[in-house]
Amino acid sequence: DVKVTQSSRYLVKRTGEKVFLECVQDMDHENMFWYRQDPGLGLRLIYFSYDVKMKEKGDIPEGYSVSREKKERFSLILESASTNQTSMYLCASSFLGTKPGQGLGAQYFGPGTRLTVT
Amino acid sequence: AQKITQTQPGMFVQEKEAVTLDCTYDTSDPSYGLFWYKQPSSGEMIFLIYQGSYDQQNATEGRYSLNFQKARKSANLVISASQLGDSAMYFCAMREFGTYKYIFGTGTRLKVLA
Repeated sequence: DVKVTQSSRYLVKRTGEKVFLECVQDMDHENMFWYRQDPGLGLRLIYFSYDVKMKEKGDIPEGYSVSREKKERFSLILESASTNQTSMYLCASSFLGTKPGQGLGAQYFGPGTRLTVT
Repeated sequence: AQKITQTQPGMFVQEKEAVTLDCTYDTSDPSYGLFWYKQPSSGEMIFLIYQGSYDQQNATEGRYSLNFQKARKSANLVISASQLGDSAMYFCAMREFGTYKYIFGTGTRLKVLA
Protein backbone atom coordinates (compact mmCIF):
# COMPACT_ATOMS: atom_id res chain seq x y z
CA ASP A 1 0.00 0.00 0.00
CA VAL A 2 1.13 3.51 -0.78
CA LYS A 3 1.82 5.43 2.34
CA VAL A 4 2.18 9.19 2.69
CA THR A 5 2.71 10.49 6.19
CA GLN A 6 2.67 14.01 7.55
CA SER A 7 4.47 15.09 10.68
CA SER A 8 1.44 16.39 12.57
CA ARG A 9 -2.35 16.04 12.37
CA TYR A 10 -2.97 19.20 14.37
CA LEU A 11 -0.68 22.16 14.93
CA VAL A 12 -1.15 25.46 16.74
CA LYS A 13 1.40 28.22 16.16
CA ARG A 14 1.69 31.88 16.98
CA THR A 15 1.86 34.71 14.46
CA GLY A 16 5.42 35.28 13.29
CA GLU A 17 6.68 31.80 14.13
CA LYS A 18 8.55 29.72 11.58
CA VAL A 19 6.58 26.56 10.86
CA PHE A 20 7.79 23.33 9.28
CA LEU A 21 5.39 20.78 7.84
CA GLU A 22 7.00 17.55 6.78
CA CYS A 23 5.78 14.90 4.37
CA VAL A 24 7.27 11.48 3.68
CA GLN A 25 6.24 8.94 1.03
CA ASP A 26 7.40 5.36 0.70
CA MET A 27 6.52 4.63 -2.94
CA ASP A 28 9.57 6.08 -4.67
CA HIS A 29 7.34 8.63 -6.43
CA GLU A 30 9.03 11.38 -8.41
CA ASN A 31 6.36 14.01 -7.85
CA MET A 32 5.35 15.54 -4.55
CA PHE A 33 2.85 18.31 -3.86
CA TRP A 34 1.65 20.64 -1.14
CA TYR A 35 -1.95 21.91 -1.15
CA ARG A 36 -4.03 23.92 1.21
CA GLN A 37 -7.75 23.34 1.51
CA ASP A 38 -10.16 25.97 2.70
CA PRO A 39 -13.97 25.90 2.81
CA GLY A 40 -15.43 27.30 -0.38
CA LEU A 41 -12.04 27.56 -2.07
CA GLY A 42 -11.30 23.90 -2.69
CA LEU A 43 -7.77 22.55 -3.06
CA ARG A 44 -5.15 25.08 -4.03
CA LEU A 45 -1.65 24.08 -5.07
CA ILE A 46 1.13 25.80 -3.13
CA TYR A 47 4.26 24.12 -4.52
CA PHE A 48 5.23 20.92 -6.22
CA SER A 49 8.47 19.08 -6.82
CA TYR A 50 9.22 16.76 -9.73
CA ASP A 51 12.64 15.62 -8.53
CA VAL A 52 15.09 16.01 -5.67
CA LYS A 53 16.07 19.66 -5.20
CA MET A 54 13.62 20.68 -7.96
CA LYS A 55 10.55 22.73 -7.18
CA GLU A 56 7.91 24.71 -8.98
CA LYS A 57 5.50 27.33 -7.70
CA GLY A 58 1.88 26.44 -7.70
CA ASP A 59 -1.07 28.81 -7.64
CA ILE A 60 -0.51 30.36 -4.19
CA PRO A 61 3.20 30.22 -3.26
CA GLU A 62 3.34 33.57 -1.45
CA GLY A 63 4.37 33.21 2.16
CA TYR A 64 5.61 29.65 1.69
CA SER A 65 8.81 27.88 0.70
CA VAL A 66 9.67 24.22 0.24
CA SER A 67 12.60 21.89 0.49
CA ARG A 68 13.24 18.52 -1.11
CA GLU A 69 16.65 17.15 -0.18
CA LYS A 70 15.67 13.49 -0.47
CA LYS A 71 13.27 11.83 -2.88
CA GLU A 72 10.94 10.60 -0.17
CA ARG A 73 10.68 13.83 1.84
CA PHE A 74 9.05 17.16 0.94
CA SER A 75 8.87 19.95 3.48
CA LEU A 76 6.65 23.02 3.51
CA ILE A 77 7.96 26.05 5.39
CA LEU A 78 6.01 29.04 6.58
CA GLU A 79 8.76 31.60 7.16
CA SER A 80 6.63 33.85 9.35
CA ALA A 81 3.21 32.39 10.05
CA SER A 82 0.18 34.64 9.72
CA THR A 83 -3.45 34.13 10.70
CA ASN A 84 -4.50 33.87 7.05
CA GLN A 85 -2.39 30.74 6.79
CA THR A 86 -4.73 28.92 9.15
CA SER A 87 -5.86 26.03 6.98
CA MET A 88 -5.79 22.32 6.25
CA TYR A 89 -2.52 21.37 4.55
CA LEU A 90 -2.41 18.26 2.39
CA CYS A 91 0.68 16.61 1.00
CA ALA A 92 0.53 14.23 -1.97
CA SER A 93 2.84 12.18 -4.13
CA SER A 94 2.45 10.63 -7.56
CA PHE A 95 4.20 8.57 -10.19
CA LEU A 96 5.35 10.61 -13.16
CA GLY A 97 3.90 8.70 -16.12
CA THR A 98 5.79 10.30 -18.99
CA LYS A 99 4.78 7.90 -21.73
CA PRO A 100 1.34 7.13 -23.15
CA GLY A 101 0.18 3.82 -21.80
CA GLN A 102 1.99 4.23 -18.50
CA GLY A 103 -1.04 5.87 -17.08
CA LEU A 104 -1.14 9.26 -15.52
CA GLY A 105 -0.35 8.42 -11.95
CA ALA A 106 -2.90 9.12 -9.29
CA GLN A 107 -1.95 11.32 -6.41
CA TYR A 108 -1.80 9.69 -3.01
CA PHE A 109 -2.44 11.96 -0.09
CA GLY A 110 -1.30 12.11 3.48
CA PRO A 111 -3.76 12.47 6.37
CA GLY A 112 -3.44 16.27 6.38
CA THR A 113 -2.32 18.82 8.95
CA ARG A 114 -4.83 21.23 10.44
CA LEU A 115 -2.76 24.33 11.19
CA THR A 116 -4.10 27.11 13.37
CA VAL A 117 -2.15 30.35 13.60
CA THR A 118 -3.18 32.58 16.51
CA ALA B 1 -8.09 26.04 -20.23
CA GLN B 2 -8.38 23.01 -18.02
CA LYS B 3 -11.47 22.95 -15.86
CA ILE B 4 -13.42 20.47 -13.77
CA THR B 5 -17.08 21.11 -12.95
CA GLN B 6 -19.09 19.32 -10.28
CA THR B 7 -22.56 20.79 -10.27
CA GLN B 8 -24.00 18.89 -7.30
CA PRO B 9 -22.89 20.48 -4.02
CA GLY B 10 -24.76 17.86 -2.01
CA MET B 11 -26.62 14.61 -2.52
CA PHE B 12 -28.56 12.09 -0.48
CA VAL B 13 -28.90 8.39 -1.22
CA GLN B 14 -30.61 5.57 0.61
CA GLU B 15 -28.41 2.79 1.94
CA LYS B 16 -27.98 -0.10 -0.56
CA GLU B 17 -29.02 2.03 -3.52
CA ALA B 18 -26.79 3.23 -6.34
CA VAL B 19 -25.82 6.88 -6.78
CA THR B 20 -24.19 8.85 -9.60
CA LEU B 21 -21.96 11.85 -8.94
CA ASP B 22 -21.53 14.14 -11.92
CA CYS B 23 -18.29 15.51 -13.30
CA THR B 24 -17.64 17.37 -16.52
CA TYR B 25 -14.26 18.53 -17.71
CA ASP B 26 -12.74 20.80 -20.28
CA THR B 27 -9.41 20.30 -22.00
CA SER B 28 -7.96 20.69 -25.45
CA ASP B 29 -5.31 18.02 -24.89
CA PRO B 30 -6.22 14.59 -26.32
CA SER B 31 -4.18 12.83 -23.63
CA TYR B 32 -5.37 13.18 -20.06
CA GLY B 33 -6.36 11.25 -17.00
CA LEU B 34 -9.43 11.57 -14.81
CA PHE B 35 -9.50 10.70 -11.11
CA TRP B 36 -12.01 10.46 -8.32
CA TYR B 37 -11.16 10.96 -4.66
CA LYS B 38 -13.13 10.49 -1.45
CA GLN B 39 -12.57 12.75 1.54
CA PRO B 40 -14.23 11.59 4.78
CA SER B 41 -14.68 13.98 7.68
CA SER B 42 -11.24 12.93 8.96
CA GLY B 43 -9.74 14.94 6.11
CA GLU B 44 -7.63 12.42 4.24
CA MET B 45 -8.11 12.29 0.46
CA ILE B 46 -8.48 8.71 -0.71
CA PHE B 47 -7.88 7.78 -4.34
CA LEU B 48 -10.81 5.75 -5.73
CA ILE B 49 -10.58 5.29 -9.47
CA TYR B 50 -8.72 6.37 -12.61
CA GLN B 51 -9.74 6.67 -16.27
CA GLY B 52 -7.29 7.42 -19.08
CA SER B 53 -8.51 9.33 -22.11
CA TYR B 54 -7.49 6.48 -24.43
CA ASP B 55 -8.97 3.72 -22.33
CA GLN B 56 -11.59 1.87 -24.32
CA GLN B 57 -13.55 0.58 -21.37
CA ASN B 58 -15.01 2.32 -18.38
CA ALA B 59 -12.91 1.88 -15.24
CA THR B 60 -14.25 -0.16 -12.35
CA GLU B 61 -12.92 -0.71 -8.84
CA GLY B 62 -15.14 -2.79 -6.61
CA ARG B 63 -18.36 -0.83 -6.01
CA TYR B 64 -17.01 2.17 -7.91
CA SER B 65 -17.31 2.62 -11.64
CA LEU B 66 -16.61 5.55 -13.87
CA ASN B 67 -19.10 6.36 -16.61
CA PHE B 68 -16.76 7.92 -19.18
CA GLN B 69 -18.40 9.73 -22.09
CA LYS B 70 -15.55 11.30 -24.00
CA ALA B 71 -17.61 13.19 -26.58
CA ARG B 72 -19.65 14.82 -23.84
CA LYS B 73 -16.54 15.35 -21.68
CA SER B 74 -18.13 13.75 -18.69
CA ALA B 75 -16.69 11.33 -16.14
CA ASN B 76 -19.41 10.47 -13.67
CA LEU B 77 -18.72 8.29 -10.64
CA VAL B 78 -21.22 5.56 -9.92
CA ILE B 79 -21.28 4.01 -6.47
CA SER B 80 -23.32 0.82 -6.28
CA ALA B 81 -24.93 -0.56 -3.13
CA SER B 82 -24.22 2.52 -1.04
CA GLN B 83 -23.03 2.06 2.52
CA LEU B 84 -23.12 4.42 5.48
CA GLY B 85 -19.33 4.66 5.26
CA ASP B 86 -19.64 6.18 1.80
CA SER B 87 -20.82 9.45 3.36
CA ALA B 88 -18.04 11.90 2.45
CA MET B 89 -16.96 14.62 0.05
CA TYR B 90 -16.11 13.37 -3.42
CA PHE B 91 -13.74 15.19 -5.75
CA CYS B 92 -13.22 14.76 -9.46
CA ALA B 93 -9.78 15.69 -10.81
CA MET B 94 -7.91 15.78 -14.10
CA ARG B 95 -4.33 15.82 -15.21
CA GLU B 96 -3.15 16.48 -18.76
CA PHE B 97 -0.35 14.36 -20.13
CA GLY B 98 2.98 16.13 -19.96
CA THR B 99 1.95 18.39 -17.11
CA TYR B 100 2.44 17.97 -13.40
CA LYS B 101 -0.65 19.79 -12.24
CA TYR B 102 -3.89 18.19 -11.19
CA ILE B 103 -7.08 20.21 -11.49
CA PHE B 104 -9.78 19.53 -8.90
CA GLY B 105 -13.49 20.19 -8.91
CA THR B 106 -15.27 21.81 -5.98
CA GLY B 107 -16.59 18.50 -4.71
CA THR B 108 -19.93 16.85 -3.96
CA ARG B 109 -20.96 16.02 -0.41
CA LEU B 110 -22.71 12.66 -0.30
CA LYS B 111 -24.86 11.59 2.62
CA VAL B 112 -26.01 7.98 2.83
CA LEU B 113 -29.23 7.51 4.77
CA ALA B 114 -30.00 4.41 6.85
